[in-house]
Amino acid sequence: ETGVTQTPRHLVMGMTNKKSLKCEQHLGHNAMYWYKQSAKKPLELMFVYSLEERVENNSVPSRFSPECPNSSHLFLHLHTLQPEDSALYLCASSQDTASSYNSPLHFGNGTRLTVT
Amino acid sequence: LAKTTQPISMDSYEGQEVNITCSHNNIATNDYITWYQQFPSQGPRFIIQGYKTKVTNEVASLFIPADRKSSTLSLPRVSLSDTAVYYCLVGDPFSGGYNKLIFGAGTRLAVHP
Repeated sequence: ETGVTQTPRHLVMGMTNKKSLKCEQHLGHNAMYWYKQSAKKPLELMFVYSLEERVENNSVPSRFSPECPNSSHLFLHLHTLQPEDSALYLCASSQDTASSYNSPLHFGNGTRLTVT
Repeated sequence: LAKTTQPISMDSYEGQEVNITCSHNNIATNDYITWYQQFPSQGPRFIIQGYKTKVTNEVASLFIPADRKSSTLSLPRVSLSDTAVYYCLVGDPFSGGYNKLIFGAGTRLAVHP
């Protein structure tokens, strides 16, 4: 139990499909993140939400669309993806207040996405 | 953000102590050093964090010299289950706002029987 739950664990989709990845955190954190981890590459930060507001968009293509309806849930909507988008997509959360210690990242176990 | 350099891979045997050193020559005054561990098909897991001298928890120790330009993660008596990728990151956890730490390539540790 990591405190951060991601579903589904595995997803296979065609290039014309639309799908969504879901992340839920049970830690009372205020910041949530999407990372992409491709084979043999470092983790790449995609998006950051702080108090449900998007504060970072790391030059991510528009075929990836994040949504943060509340501080516990984060979605990544996918449409018209390319085969090179196949990767492990990781969600993370951290405590995030302007006047206090920023806790380390807590990651989920990711969604393994394969685009065919 | 301070850049970190660490060995790409290391090998060890069960029961040995493993020390992984990370260089961060341009670490800023307010930066802390944080280490994460990642197993295949899982998200990274926080191991330890420190600012200076030595920090120890139930999993590892972190040694930071006075100039803070490097740090060493020490794993006592490793087992096969310690086979993983270990990431060293530097950043300011008191900066407020979101966590800006950037992951590098990490060190792939293989523990052999």
